[in-house]
Amino acid sequence: NAGVMQNPRHLVRRRGQEARLRCSPVKGHSHVYWYRQLPEEGLKFMVYLQKENIIDESGMPKERFSAEFPKEGPSILRIQQVVRGDSAAYFCASSPLMGNEKLFFGSGTQLSVL
Amino acid sequence: GNSVTQMEGPVTLSEEAFLTINCTYTATGYPSLFWYVQYPGEGLQLLLKATKADDKGSNKGFEATYRKETTSFHLEKGSVQVSDSAVYFCALRDGDNQGGKLIFGQGTELSVKP
Repeated sequence: NAGVMQNPRHLVRRRGQEARLRCSPVKGHSHVYWYRQLPEEGLKFMVYLQKENIIDESGMPKERFSAEFPKEGPSILRIQQVVRGDSAAYFCASSPLMGNEKLFFGSGTQLSVL
Repeated sequence: GNSVTQMEGPVTLSEEAFLTINCTYTATGYPSLFWYVQYPGEGLQLLLKATKADDKGSNKGFEATYRKETTSFHLEKGSVQVSDSAVYFCALRDGDNQGGKLIFGQGTELSVKP
């Protein structure tokens, strides 16, 4: 019974390149959350998605960042034209129900921008 | 806005010592409160939770009491083990937020020495 799978585990990009982070939720979970953890800071909420819908993107930067959770396949967090300040650990979590208080987290993707 | 503040780490203890990690929150309404734990190289896992004032959450020897009057949810354990070494995150979910979004503190690293 696989948990939340994130890949890649480590991603290195040069400034100006695109980063794509993937998240496969627990089987049967239709709600996905993305969080970012900057060095010396806590987890910051970015976006909450349900299948094919963005429910809450209040934590997403207005530019360069986008997220999707298609009907089939993993959720994707996309960062265009990365800058050094995007270097962080990005965590995905899933839950089976809206408002479900227990989130299942992946191990994260560590993005390093050179 | 809603927020969570934790005591800064790292916290270093000897095995069998008493643990307290302080957590205070600011929120409108009546949030649910959580402690999550992140072991090295892994994603976050729910440790315990409390959903209303004076509730005590407990798990694996850890416990925390929801104190509305002091807006606190301090984590305690009577006798820590080396295997408790991890990063601990306090979090809240706003009672009016049906989206399940969690707001996390910055995390407190615990290191237990034999």
